[in-house]
Amino acid sequence: SQQGEEDPQALSIQEGENATMNCSYKTSINNLQWYRQNSGRGLVHLILIRSNEREKHSGRLRVTLDTSKKSSSLLITASRAADTASYFCATDTGANSKLTFGKGITLSVRP
Amino acid sequence: DAGVIQSPRHEVTEMGQEVTLRCKPISGHDYLFWYRQTMMRGLELLIYFNNNVPIDDSGMPEDRFSAKMPNASFSTLKIQPSEPRDSAVYFCASRLSGAPRGYTFGSGTRLTVV
Repeated sequence: SQQGEEDPQALSIQEGENATMNCSYKTSINNLQWYRQNSGRGLVHLILIRSNEREKHSGRLRVTLDTSKKSSSLLITASRAADTASYFCATDTGANSKLTFGKGITLSVRP
Repeated sequence: DAGVIQSPRHEVTEMGQEVTLRCKPISGHDYLFWYRQTMMRGLELLIYFNNNVPIDDSGMPEDRFSAKMPNASFSTLKIQPSEPRDSAVYFCASRLSGAPRGYTFGSGTRLTVV
């Protein structure tokens, strides 16, 4: 069963704009992670935020976590055509170290 | 490091045939995961190993699926007999235990059962 659910399912923006993607989950977590998947490729780990953290930055990525609302958001600033991909959130409940993935968000960045 | 290596990249087989997918994790990583990705069901965890020992195989769809990890550098996922509904992309991923960290995924094996 899916633990994380991303929103929206698809997002289309112009190059240079910011992209915001949301993830909601159901049970308590140890940490939440975001991954990117380019077409026909494997998933690439982007960023991890622990349950006791509220915000984290990595380059053009900003992740927030609200454990009271069981939600997270991924912000990509100044988007580029190369950011076109599917983005997944994944939750680690701390039980046996396994990740549960959402169904993903398809981001299209128009040049 | 070359990353997680999966083979083959593509596999087309006829219904009823045996299929074996292979994975070489990153050297030193002690966790190995097998996921299956389909449009309908997304990414599903099939089984994972810690120090070559299967920890949780509750995601394995049925007895036709089996996985082994004979040593720290090699794992196989076998489907026997294969069925058209097994068509999917199968991913292997590995990670190092300890502090929370992300997984490293292989490029996947696209399986088509006709």
